[in-house]
Amino acid sequence: AQSVTQPDIHITVSEGASLELRCNYSYGATPYLFWYVQSPGQGLQLLLKYFSGDTLVQGIKGFEAEFKRSQSSFNLRKPSVHWSDAAEYFCAVGRRSQGNLIFGKGTKLSVKP
Amino acid sequence: DTAVSQTPKYLVTQMGNDKSIKCEQNLGHDTMYWYKQDSKKFLKIMFSYNNKELIINETVPNRFSPKSPDKAHLNLHINSLELGDSAVYFCASSRSTSGGLETQYFGPGTRLLVL
Repeated sequence: AQSVTQPDIHITVSEGASLELRCNYSYGATPYLFWYVQSPGQGLQLLLKYFSGDTLVQGIKGFEAEFKRSQSSFNLRKPSVHWSDAAEYFCAVGRRSQGNLIFGKGTKLSVKP
Repeated sequence: DTAVSQTPKYLVTQMGNDKSIKCEQNLGHDTMYWYKQDSKKFLKIMFSYNNKELIINETVPNRFSPKSPDKAHLNLHINSLELGDSAVYFCASSRSTSGGLETQYFGPGTRLLVL
């Protein structure tokens, strides 16, 4: 069955520190992968996506993610976190047969001053 | 201009009532979705429509009935509301289903609280 696992429920980093959020997926074919961010009380905004090609994907707000097929992972990274990055981050895989997204349970990011 | 809009933003109601949530997208997309986010922030697909036709119906109680009057609108009607229906409901749209390839654009969510 298709699934997405985000092992970290909550991560706290200091402002200016680097960030890596983990995502592992289970999918029978080449996955279409997404990272979305949800700020408190808001909807979901797309950060970046991977469909094919270069396995290092650049997104908005200085985020990037790397697809590693051998590890079934799509980890999100940012070299220097800003206080405004505090939010909930969701990894998702696109379900080919019907087109919807299957989401992980999210990782809440807190940023210390 | 808001790309995907939902009304109302907040909805507080009593158990047993019937309520509707409306969603509209002005992106010209063919496909629209309803997702439910529970109290633990877990997001799960409920329904999707492509050009007014039902594509996905994921083991949702039949108290929930989506209606798509045209491809720009997908409304969600809920009968006999239960406590467990309390959640945030997100509408989304994409250009087409395209096997999960298309980016989905989300509305701001409707926060439903059933008392």
